[in-house]
Formats: sequence, structure tokens, C-alpha cells
Amino acid sequence: AQKITQTQPGMFVQEKEAVTLDCTYDTSDQSYGLFWYKQPSSGEMIFLIYQGSYDEQNATEGRYSLNFQKARKSANLVISASQLGDSAMYFCAMREGMAGGSYIPTFGRGTSLIVHP
Amino acid sequence: EAGVTQFPSHSVIEKGQTVTLRCDPISGHDNLYWYRRVMGKEIKFLLHFVKESKQDESGMPNNRFLAERTGGTYSTLKVQPAELEDSGVYFCASSQGGTVYEQYFGPGTRLTVT
Repeated sequence: AQKITQTQPGMFVQEKEAVTLDCTYDTSDQSYGLFWYKQPSSGEMIFLIYQGSYDEQNATEGRYSLNFQKARKSANLVISASQLGDSAMYFCAMREGMAGGSYIPTFGRGTSLIVHP
Repeated sequence: EAGVTQFPSHSVIEKGQTVTLRCDPISGHDNLYWYRRVMGKEIKFLLHFVKESKQDESGMPNNRFLAERTGGTYSTLKVQPAELEDSGVYFCASSQGGTVYEQYFGPGTRLTVT
């Protein structure tokens, strides 16, 4: 079974509007971390935002926020005021076993976001 | 500060040939990771170096893949002999600490095996 599920292979949004990229995860660990990465056409993976399973508040980084709903096991990425430069592939990832465990993340298949002018 | 670099950016080889991918991590980063993404699928972890030692190589698909990190600086990933299913994008990442959100990724090497 997939540990990270991104159900939207592609998303379109109008410039300056907000967009939500979905991510659900599957783990039996109590301690884990959730991440989002952006991969523009240039290829590199850019870290965007991190949410720890024990963090009570949703993580925010500038225009990025992570809508963390622990009971539903979802960690959606919200991009506010979309810009043309936000067009890219977005990957959700999870790291389990933070307390002395593996630091290796599991990635989803990604969502391709296109921002229209 | 220079980021993680990978060479080549793209490689096209025939089945049965050998290919060597190179990754130069950010200077001073002890941790180096290799990942692979096959088209349309998840990014999969391959292995993790701490300096020159293999910390975790549980993701290496088979013994046709050999990774080295001599001297704890750059790393190479050799595929010998290459098979069609080896095609994909190979990413390298490095970090100073062990926590994954501090990993900095390179641009990847796109490998096409024909």
C-alpha cells in the first residue's frame, strides 16, 4: 500500500488565486514528519515546508501553509496568491520514526501545478 | 555557496552498457543520499552515506548498482550492466545533519536505457 497518496496528477490555477494540493498519508507511527518539495522545470528539488506530527499549529512559510488534519491523515499544501513561478511539480513526503529511527522519507507521485496568467 | 551538483544531466545508453553518475554534495555535508524516480512513480530512496560509510543501502534495487563515496566527498553511482527498467531520474541530496528536511537536492541525472 502507498504510504503517501497524491490524488491530483495535475492542477490548474489562475494567477493570484489560492490552490490546495492534496496529500494523504498512512502510518502507524505516533512520531513522524511531513514535507512538501517543489520541483521546477530546472529539475532540482526545493524544500518548501515541514510539519511534525506533534506540532499543534499548522506550519506556514510565506505563501505556503500546510493544512494538517491528523485524524484524517492529511497534509494538504495551500499556496496563496499563486504566481507564474509556482508552476512546477510538487511532492509530498513523510518521514517516520523520528525518535532514533530512519530519516529516509517516503515520497508521493507528485502533482503538476500550472499557474495561468 | 554552491549547491548539490550532478553529472551528467542526461545520459542515454544501450542495454548492457555501463553508466556512472556523479554527485558533488554541498561542501561540508557529511550526509549524502541517492534517490531514483521512475517516470510517473514515486521518488524512491536508494542509499545513504555518512561521510564515506554506507549508513543505509536498503533501497538499492540489485547488485548491478554500486555506489561509492571515496574520501567522503563526491559520490558515484555505477549501473553495470544497465537494464531498460533502470531508466529514470537519479537524484542526489546532501545534508549536514541527519534530519531529512535539511536535505538539499541536486538537479538530477536523467538516465535513458534503450
